[in-house]
Amino acid sequence: DSGVTQTPKHLITATGQRVTLRCSPRSGDLSVYWYQQSLDQGLQFLIQYYNGEERAKGNILERFSAQQFPDLHSELNLSSLELGDSALYFCASSVGVGQPQHFGDGTRLSIL
Amino acid sequence: QQQVKQSPQSLIVQKGGISIINCAYENTAFDYFPWYQQFPGKGPALLIAIRPDVSEKKEGRFTISFNKSAKQFSLHIMDSQPGDSATYFCAASRAAAGNKLTFGGGTRVLVKP
Repeated sequence: DSGVTQTPKHLITATGQRVTLRCSPRSGDLSVYWYQQSLDQGLQFLIQYYNGEERAKGNILERFSAQQFPDLHSELNLSSLELGDSALYFCASSVGVGQPQHFGDGTRLSIL
Repeated sequence: QQQVKQSPQSLIVQKGGISIINCAYENTAFDYFPWYQQFPGKGPALLIAIRPDVSEKKEGRFTISFNKSAKQFSLHIMDSQPGDSATYFCAASRAAAGNKLTFGGGTRVLVKP
């Protein structure tokens, strides 16, 4: 158990809808990262937050957004969903920048 | 642009054998190279990591070899066990970019008993 909690584990929705994925980092970790894992793109970095502030952005679509709250949990919001958004979404956390990242077990998003 | 290339895509090894997975990177600014192990239905789990000032690091049956001049690094799994059957990912990052991980494409390892 990595100590990173992601909810929900599975999410099934339709095209055009909006969903929110939640991540609780390990106790004491200030940095949260979001990654997308798909068969065609592999594991790709989306966005990083450190102590509530956005620190780095990857190939994240404009339809996607995230935030980190004062209690350090983070949410990834995906809107106007398309079939191609079906993937596993992972959250990872670390104590700080440059420290090992520990991953949660992901949220499997299926768009019908 | 794939900045970290991983090979092979899949690997079958007998129990007790050595599994070797290779990765090559392009960005010389990378300063942290971890390996992750992923089982079906689970998230990637950190196995071992190395920084470019070290040429080799060993933890138990897992060893990373790092060749800075060739921009390559590899994972060796000694005395492979059926429980090692999983997908392995190499990755690279640099602290100046927030340590976001750039992953290789993954290697599916099957250890036959």
